[in-house]
Amino acid sequence: GQNIDQPTEMTATEGAIVQINCTYQTSGFNGLFWYQQHAGEAPTFLSYNVLDGLEEKGRFSSFLSRSKGYSYLLLKELQMKDSASYLCAVRGAGGSYIPTFGRGTSLIVHP
Amino acid sequence: DVKVTQSSRYLVKRTGEKVFLECVQDMDHENMFWYRQDPGLGLRLIYFSYDVKMKEKGDIPEGYSVSREKKERFSLILESASTNQTSMYLCASLSVNTGELFFGEGSRLTVL
Repeated sequence: GQNIDQPTEMTATEGAIVQINCTYQTSGFNGLFWYQQHAGEAPTFLSYNVLDGLEEKGRFSSFLSRSKGYSYLLLKELQMKDSASYLCAVRGAGGSYIPTFGRGTSLIVHP
Repeated sequence: DVKVTQSSRYLVKRTGEKVFLECVQDMDHENMFWYRQDPGLGLRLIYFSYDVKMKEKGDIPEGYSVSREKKERFSLILESASTNQTSMYLCASLSVNTGELFFGEGSRLTVL
C-alpha cells in the first residue's frame, strides 16, 4: 500500500516564501507529482519529480529525496492568488500509472 | 487546448435514483480515472480504465460502476444513489509520456 502525509493547513504572508512538505511510504516509486487546486476548480499540474534534486519552475520549485521518502514544494514571492490546496501524489512501482494522492495542504496567503 | 470535459457541474438527485456522470477527453489518452473528493479525505480513486471496455476497481468502488465504450468517453454510474455519495466527482485522463493527469472541472453531486 501507499501512505502519503502532508500538513493539513498552512498560512503565510504575501511576498514571503513557504515550503510544503510531503512524506511518503510506498511499495516502489515511479515519480512524485504536485498539483494546485483552487476552491471549486479542478487540480492543475505543477511538477513531476522522478530523480533526486530540485526542479525550479518560475516561483515554484519542487524537491525530491527518494532515500528519505520526502518531497517539498517551495513557493517564492507569494501572491494572494497562491491561496489554494496543494496536492502531493505518488506513483508506485510495478508499471502502474496510477498516482495516489495525499489529503492536500490548504495554503492561506494573507496580506 | 487539451481538454477533459465533464457533462454536469452541479447535480441534485434523490436517494435511489440512477445517476450518470459523463467524461470526455480529446487527447487520445488510453488511461482514464474517476475520483471523488471530500473535505479532509482528499482524492480517492473509484475506478479507472486503461483501454476501451477495460475497467479496474480503485480504492472505493462500492456503489459505483463505469462504462468505457469509446476511447474518449468514460462514464461513472451510481446505480442507486445514496446520501453518502454526495461529493465532488473528478474525472481525469493520463498522459503516459509525461505522467501528468489532466482533470475535468468536476461534478458536484448532492443526493437528498
